[in-house]
Amino acid sequence: GDSVTQMEGPVTLSEEAFLTINCTYTATGYPSLFWYVQYPGEGLQLLLKATKADDKGSNKGFEATYRKETTSFHLEKGSVQVSDSAVYFCALSDIRGGKLIFGQGTELSVKP
Amino acid sequence: SAVISQKPSRDICQRGTSLTIQCQVDSQVTMMFWYRQQPGQSLTLIATANQGSEATYESGFVIDKFPISRPNLTFSTLTVSNMSPEDSSIYLCSVDHQGGTDTQYFGPGTRLTVL
Repeated sequence: GDSVTQMEGPVTLSEEAFLTINCTYTATGYPSLFWYVQYPGEGLQLLLKATKADDKGSNKGFEATYRKETTSFHLEKGSVQVSDSAVYFCALSDIRGGKLIFGQGTELSVKP
Repeated sequence: SAVISQKPSRDICQRGTSLTIQCQVDSQVTMMFWYRQQPGQSLTLIATANQGSEATYESGFVIDKFPISRPNLTFSTLTVSNMSPEDSSIYLCSVDHQGGTDTQYFGPGTRLTVL
């Protein structure tokens, strides 16, 4: 079945460091891909999405490119802030039923 | 995006009791989803709720344990029945706001602790 694999956390960075969180997927067909963010004590917020190969999703300085050849959707940010500390979830949409399949989440902690 | 609210935001319940969680959306949506996030874990879909039809449950989840109602296009409830400590989780509803897309927006979640 479809699945999403993320790099394990926690990831600890200093403020202004470069961030990469790896995400790879296995899927039938060509699903849409998403990054969601969960700040402490809150629900999930959609961070960005890409719907087809080579699409780049971007928001709040975060970017991710849909790479069909490597089945990847890595999240990047050039300069992280303390306020980016959160858990980041990579997900794909199941084209058959509309449900989202999530990776295990990667906790990011940014230190001043 | 849609504005989604959930009630209660958190609760502490005794083993063997039931809790009903409400999900309200500020606009009409076709599909609503219920997810469970166990402590320190990712999200797992419980069921999909469409208005006017019975909910569709994922493998490992059954209607007797998690009955769902969807009386109209802006509201749904999830009941966690005969609770045990293993049901302690965050329960989140989500909606496919724009209909026909695959982008889901989530409510703030209900944090449930079962003693």
